[in-house]
Amino acid sequence: QSVLTQPPAASGTPGQRVTISCSGSRSNIGDNPVSWYQQLPGTAPKLLLYTNNQRPSGVPDRFSGSKSGASASLAISGLQSEDEADYYCAAWDDSLSGVVFGGGTKLTVL
Amino acid sequence: QVQLVESGGGVVQPGGSLRLSCAASGFTFSSNAMHWVRQAPGKGLEWVAFIRYDGSKTYYADSVKGRFTISRDNSKTMVYVQMNSLRAEDTAVYYCVKHGGSGWYLDNWGQGTLVTVSS
Repeated sequence: QSVLTQPPAASGTPGQRVTISCSGSRSNIGDNPVSWYQQLPGTAPKLLLYTNNQRPSGVPDRFSGSKSGASASLAISGLQSEDEADYYCAAWDDSLSGVVFGGGTKLTVL
Repeated sequence: QVQLVESGGGVVQPGGSLRLSCAASGFTFSSNAMHWVRQAPGKGLEWVAFIRYDGSKTYYADSVKGRFTISRDNSKTMVYVQMNSLRAEDTAVYYCVKHGGSGWYLDNWGQGTLVTVSS
């Protein structure tokens, strides 16, 4: 059971906008910034967004993030086939004194 | 560019020990904190441990506390995790990850090394 809650699956067609939610509590998302990771099939995870909505260099602006209270979301606009991957949210948890991850969302591009 | 190369994975019996190593390059290692994160086959990501840039502070997941020890050698730009009393549930790909900053994000990941705990 993951500390952060994500839907196990999401899907969309090319060009669509999809969102993936991440729900936590005050001790993690509520009081700390959220990061998002993309894991393409058979590869290591890659940082997608940090500090809620900041993109590392090289990440397209089709990817955006937001946070409200103890929840966060990742939005992908102009969906492309290469976006098909697993997506994870994460945050520091003050109560656990550790990083906590969501269970991951498998995104399928139909 | 940042490179993180893990080694030391393999098959070990339950109750056994293993030490994973991570060779870091392409950044000022001695100024950056590091993490280990693992992923069981077909499962999600699980954070394992953190070590501050100077080794003065460490944190562990409850699932490994008392069994795993993270350490580093800044002169060799290496980070390690000593894993004792291994259990079947420790079977996973272990990733060495560079700490990104005050926002507690993980900005560079190695390719991982597989640890299999099985008799």
